[in-house]
Amino acid sequence: GENVEQHPSTLSVQEGDSAVIKCTYSDSASNYFPWYKQELGKGPQLIIDIRSNVGEKKDQRIAVTLNKTAKHFSLHITETQPEDSAVYFCAASRGNNAGNMLTFGGGTRLMVKP
Amino acid sequence: GAVVSQHPSRVICKSGTSVKIECRSLDFQATTMFWYRQFPKQSLMLMATSNEGSKATYEQGVEKDKFLINHASLTLSTLTVTSAHPEDSSFYICSAPSGPNYGYTFGSGTRLTVV
Repeated sequence: GENVEQHPSTLSVQEGDSAVIKCTYSDSASNYFPWYKQELGKGPQLIIDIRSNVGEKKDQRIAVTLNKTAKHFSLHITETQPEDSAVYFCAASRGNNAGNMLTFGGGTRLMVKP
Repeated sequence: GAVVSQHPSRVICKSGTSVKIECRSLDFQATTMFWYRQFPKQSLMLMATSNEGSKATYEQGVEKDKFLINHASLTLSTLTVTSAHPEDSSFYICSAPSGPNYGYTFGSGTRLTVV
């Protein structure tokens, strides 16, 4: 089955700096890679996703890059703000059709210091 | 966008009792529902996959007789924790594939505390 590894487990940055979180996956058939933000006591919220037919996607301060050959993908947050502080999870799937489960990375606790 | 409504958000129960958690898809049909468990400071671990009208598929190590899943309609899936014990205390989250634009939609989670 799929195995997703995520690094670092904790990340502390100064407000305004950039934050980068990296994930690797093992299943070459995975083609859907979402990133979730989870605040304390809440369910995960999708912040950005990428499919295997593109190498990069950007949405304002957030970007994701995908290297299918190396089987890794990364989340980039620029101009970080204190409200970005949360736990971030990467995930991989063979696609969000019924029956294709998501496999999660271990999570990264991001702390943005004002 | 797609919404999955999960209830209750928090529940405290006595050891030995059962607790039912509901997840409803509000504006789409969820033929599949994934149930996850998350312990403090850990990632989401898939417990089981339910499909409307058929038996759920459980991950290795998850007791199907303890965690009863029912997916009787395209908009409702339930997880019942039977004979709960303190070690079942955790955060339970459901998720459903919600189409190409929304990926997977997650419920808001249920914090279960067994005392």
